[in-house]
Amino acid sequence: AQKVTQAQTEISVVEKEDVTLDCVYETRDTTYYLFWYKQPPSGELVFLIRRNSFDEQNEISGRYSWNFQKSTSSFNFTITASQVVDSAVYFCALSEANQGGSEKLVFGKGTKLTVNP
Amino acid sequence: KAGVTQTPRYLIKTRGQQVTLSCSPISGHRSVSWYQQTPGQGLQFLFEYFSETQRNKGNFPGRFSGRQFSNSRSEMNVSTLELGDSALYLCASSLGSGRGTDTQYFGPGTRLTVL
Repeated sequence: AQKVTQAQTEISVVEKEDVTLDCVYETRDTTYYLFWYKQPPSGELVFLIRRNSFDEQNEISGRYSWNFQKSTSSFNFTITASQVVDSAVYFCALSEANQGGSEKLVFGKGTKLTVNP
Repeated sequence: KAGVTQTPRYLIKTRGQQVTLSCSPISGHRSVSWYQQTPGQGLQFLFEYFSETQRNKGNFPGRFSGRQFSNSRSEMNVSTLELGDSALYLCASSLGSGRGTDTQYFGPGTRLTVL
């Protein structure tokens, strides 16, 4: 069965600190996709990144970077030089390719990040 | 391009009533998925519709139902509301390839409060 674990429930940092959000997943499928979403207080889930199981290359987008390691089933997210606007709940999610024709996402419980000025 | 829209944004109902929530996907997207978000259970998949057909369903009672129209707009209905149905209901749309590869884009959600 699919499962996503975000062990960190809440993290609090001071502005300009680097912070890493952990994500560990479980799946029996060999082809799958991993996602990160940001949920600000407004409630809408904002898409950040999608990664497929065959691409273990790390990705960097501005202050955001992602480290995907199949050997440890992890897909961690790092924010460099955090800013107050980064305060939000961050969700890691998993989608399996062989779902019988569906787009279902399985989410972790989320990590609430608070960046203090 | 306009994003996913959901109406209404807020809703207050009493136990036993029923409610209908609406979702309009991004233009060109044919798949609409619904999720329930609660503090205790987190984000849980309700169902997905593609080409007016339910393609997948989560583990929710039959009181939760949905449908999709020919223009890909979707509605979900909850009958005989219970206090535990209080939640943020999120709708997401995607191209709908069905291979689990598509990115789902979410709407702002409908916050339902059951009194």
